[in-house]
Amino acid sequence: DTEVTQTPKHLVMGMTNKKSLKCEQHMGHRAMYWYKQKAKKPPELMFVYSYEKLSINESVPSRFSPECPNSSLLNLHLHALQPEDSALYLCASSFGTGVQNEKLFFGSGTQLSVL
Amino acid sequence: AQSVTQPDIHITVSEGASLELRCNYSYGATPYLFWYVQSPGQGLQLLLKYFSGDTLVQGIKGFEAEFKRSQSSFNLRKPSVHWSDAAEYFCAVGLPDSNYQLIWGAGTKLIIKP
Repeated sequence: DTEVTQTPKHLVMGMTNKKSLKCEQHMGHRAMYWYKQKAKKPPELMFVYSYEKLSINESVPSRFSPECPNSSLLNLHLHALQPEDSALYLCASSFGTGVQNEKLFFGSGTQLSVL
Repeated sequence: AQSVTQPDIHITVSEGASLELRCNYSYGATPYLFWYVQSPGQGLQLLLKYFSGDTLVQGIKGFEAEFKRSQSSFNLRKPSVHWSDAAEYFCAVGLPDSNYQLIWGAGTKLIIKP
């Protein structure tokens, strides 16, 4: 299994809603990532978990809350989002930690629309 | 500041023709270099990477890239494109002193003419 699975594929939410994005991998990877990608732009790193511990938070607003329940799962909890948060949210994983070891495996993403 | 430049926002190529996508970086030493591809509505897939050694790197799907230190470039090539190669291509740089952060180019959209 060489896949990173993200659910849901599409999500529409209001600004007062609470929702969660889910990501799963069964490749034994030790690092997992959340990226945000706006249309026609490269991905922007949001969070990195290494060995289930949060290693990097790229100054992401607190309305985004990551969680890593175990080494295979990564969640992104959303609350009180703004319309400008509408984007494709990509999960990725890698076996190694550190950019020199990186082959990032990406999921297909969750296309989020905030109304 | 470190940066990655993909000078072509989009490129149109006829099916069967050769392809070269350009990537230049700004960094004092040799970084780690990557090319990723993103098909519409999909995540990104690594095509190839360069860390050290042979400056001509072979990747998946028939792609190759050549690192030229003197030009700070890492251009992606394919001898004959297929309609399925239509996608967005991102060049990315990893800096040895930055643990996880990749610096991404703005991307080049490849359009294939039948």
